[in-house]
Amino acid sequence: AQRVTQPEKLLSVFKGAPVELKCNYSYSGSPELFWYVQYSRQRLQLLLRHISRESIKGFTADLNKGETSFHLKKPFAQEEDSAMYYCALKGGSEKLVFGKGMKLTVNP
Amino acid sequence: DTGVSQNPRHKITKRGQNVTFRCDPISEHNRLYWYRQTLGQGPEFLTYFQNEAQLEKSRLLSDRFSAERPKGSFSTLEIQRTEQGDSAMYLCASSLGSTLEQFFGPGTRLTVL
Repeated sequence: AQRVTQPEKLLSVFKGAPVELKCNYSYSGSPELFWYVQYSRQRLQLLLRHISRESIKGFTADLNKGETSFHLKKPFAQEEDSAMYYCALKGGSEKLVFGKGMKLTVNP
Repeated sequence: DTGVSQNPRHKITKRGQNVTFRCDPISEHNRLYWYRQTLGQGPEFLTYFQNEAQLEKSRLLSDRFSAERPKGSFSTLEIQRTEQGDSAMYLCASSLGSTLEQFFGPGTRLTVL
């Protein structure tokens, strides 16, 4: 079975603080992992994917197969990072399996 | 706006009625997906099309649900005999071939009274 777990529903930090949004997955094969973001009143959009190994808006995520994790990190959070973040997995089919999401609030 | 569009954006219906939603994907995207999202949850996969062929269906898609993509362009999702548990945001996404990114529409929010 494919499963994505985001253990925390809410995270509130002050501007400039580091953030880490946790994501753990369950899949027996080699997964493709993604982070999607939804800003207020906007549609869901891709933030980054593990195969790209890129940094988007200062965010990075490393796939750790040993710990089955794909945590999202940013060293200095900005107010515009406030949004809902969803970790998603694709494994063996075209469907995305999403976690329940986490709301990040960055306070001034 | 050249992104994925969905209509209507909101639908309120009474239990037992049928509803139909439409999704227009990004032009030339051959893959189209439907997801459902309830409060406090992430999107859950319902079904996916490659061109006009429906290639995968979730067990969430009961026999009251049917989806079509007759000409490989827009798609419709119909729910027959709606139940209160069908109340959710219905999301459509599209992608191009083997690229990995799914582009999402704004969703249709269904409320069943």
